[in-house]
Amino acid sequence: DAKTTQPNSMESNEEEPVHLPCNHSTISGTDYIHWYRQLPSQGPEYVIHGLTSNVNNRMASLAIAEDRKSSTLILHRATLRDAAVYYCILRDGSGGSNYKLTFGKGTLLTVNP
Amino acid sequence: DTGVSQNPRHKITKRGQNVTFRCDPISEHNRLYWYRQTLGQGPEFLTYFQNEAQLEKSRLLSDRFSAERPKGSFSTLEIQRTEQGDSAMYLCASSLAHKLIGLGAYEQYFGPGTRLTVT
Repeated sequence: DAKTTQPNSMESNEEEPVHLPCNHSTISGTDYIHWYRQLPSQGPEYVIHGLTSNVNNRMASLAIAEDRKSSTLILHRATLRDAAVYYCILRDGSGGSNYKLTFGKGTLLTVNP
Repeated sequence: DTGVSQNPRHKITKRGQNVTFRCDPISEHNRLYWYRQTLGQGPEFLTYFQNEAQLEKSRLLSDRFSAERPKGSFSTLEIQRTEQGDSAMYLCASSLAHKLIGLGAYEQYFGPGTRLTVT
């Protein structure tokens, strides 16, 4: 899987929006952009994914740059429960090793009350 | 609860002992994955099954490790002759891979993990 780069940590205040960036300059045309998060003492949890267009779901929004070399996960109103490590992962949609997730170190998000 | 379950949640064992973990995936999911996570790191892929067939094993999976998924349902991960370096969180995930879903599109659902401590 292509490599992603994320900040080690970010901080936010409760009820404010959070923008978590991810750079993936070597992304290929068939790579999907996935986001997972891991709350303390839990397994990772799927958040959202996209290919080219921006995506919204009940948890978050995913904004994908036009050249697809970067993306941003947007939490519209952070809550204390959103404090977690957020992982940005590329998955090859053409086959190959797409069956597995290749995690980096992710971004540790701290939410202040 | 219809999510992925793992047992036990915690296991403390002495070096040299064998341990076995169990994973029960979401019932209709045909793919099952094992990952390992050490402190401060993201999970690392170990192996995966499509139904009962083990299709890929990471080089991280030494010959002391063996995984099975009989009848394509639950899976077990056994570690023989445990070493202190095996101390980690062992995570199981499942997914539904279907030809109508883009190969890179489907999500994986993780269990809570089994934390192994080898003393």
